[in-house]
Formats: sequence, structure tokens, C-alpha cells
Amino acid sequence: QVQLQESGPRLVKPSGTLSLTCHVSGDFISTNHWWAWVRQLPGKGLEWIGEIYHDGGTNYNPSLENRLRMSIDKSKTLFSLNLSSVTAADTAVYYCVRRSFYTWTRDYRFEFWGQGALVTVSS
Amino acid sequence: EFGLTQSPDTLSLAPGESATLSCRATQNAGNTYVAWYHQRPGQAPRLLIYAASNRAAGIPDRLSGGGSGTDFTLTFSRVEPDDSGMYYCQQYGFPPYPFGQGTNLQI
Repeated sequence: QVQLQESGPRLVKPSGTLSLTCHVSGDFISTNHWWAWVRQLPGKGLEWIGEIYHDGGTNYNPSLENRLRMSIDKSKTLFSLNLSSVTAADTAVYYCVRRSFYTWTRDYRFEFWGQGALVTVSS
Repeated sequence: EFGLTQSPDTLSLAPGESATLSCRATQNAGNTYVAWYHQRPGQAPRLLIYAASNRAAGIPDRLSGGGSGTDFTLTFSRVEPDDSGMYYCQQYGFPPYPFGQGTNLQI
């Protein structure tokens, strides 16, 4: 069974950088899937942040891309998120997600989710 | 800008009743890459339906998804207490893969 687990500081100062890592078990990062981040602002809905492929290719949400950087480490089966110049508006629960590719439907569904990490931006 | 609007915002039902949740897109995406998720408080979203009408692994057949174009639905033939929580639709065919604002289902 594929499992994902977020780790990283839960408190970040304004103007600092939010850094999270997602540890993957039960799968290889080199498989044919995208590895994504989704966040949920307090009491609100869900927002896709971006995603990375095993070859390092990325797609970023245009609303965040000038502050965003993602990386992947296949040997350690983990991928990471860095969001710079954070403000209180970036306080949210951050989820890492495997977007699973299935040949017969040719879609990349958001199938496996981590439990989420609440990151608070505050001085 | 592409967006999704869900209705109703809140739905209160008794166990055993049927229900239909709606998800309307602002424009036709040209595909049926629409998913539905269930989220309980303090938990991650769980994939229920993908590609508009396919149940994910472990999802009972009393749930079904349908629709095309700009209108999609999630239907419960009968609801159970464990179905309580937030339901989100999502278009995942092209970035930024927007989500609807959610429907709060109370059983």
C-alpha cells in the first residue's frame, strides 16, 4: 500500500521559507506518476500548489510559481516543497499527493494523500 | 478563468435517504477528468470517483458519479452516518486542477 508522510517545520516566520518533505513508502519515485502538493487554508477549500515528475519536470500553480521550488530525490523516495517569502496567508494544511497514472483511462488521478501538515506563518 | 461551483452548500439528511450533489464548471473543459473527494474533519481528502463516473478502490456501489460537459453529479442511493463530512469536486485534466468550494453533508 502506498503511503505518504509530510515532515518539516510547523512554524515559519513571515518573509521566511516554508520547507516540507514528503516521504513515500510502498512505491518507487521513478514510477510513472506525478508527485504533487495541495494545501487547504483554514476552514476553506483545497488549492493545488504544484507537482514534480521523477525526471525533475515540474508544473506550478501560476499564482505561486514565482515563490515556489520543488525537488525530488529518487534514491531516498522523497520529494520536497519550498515556498519563499511567506505571509500569514500561506498558513494552511499542506498535503503531499501521488497523482497516479493508469494506462487504461490515461488519467492522473489524485489517488494517495498524506495525512497533512499544518504550517503556521507567524512571528 | 475555469472554476467549479458546487451545490448545495449544505445538505442535511436522515440515514437511508438518497442524495445528489452537483458540480458545475464555468466552461466545458472538453474532457471528463472530474473527481470527487470526501473529507472528514482532521483528515485528508479521500478519492471517491475519478473520470466522472468510476469508483475508486473500496468505494461502495451505493455511490455513483455522472455527468459531462459542464455538469457533474455525485449520487448516493442511500446515505449512512459515516458519509457525513465535506465533499469536493475537482477538474484534474489540466492545471491548476481547480476544486469546488465543497458541500457539507450532514447525516
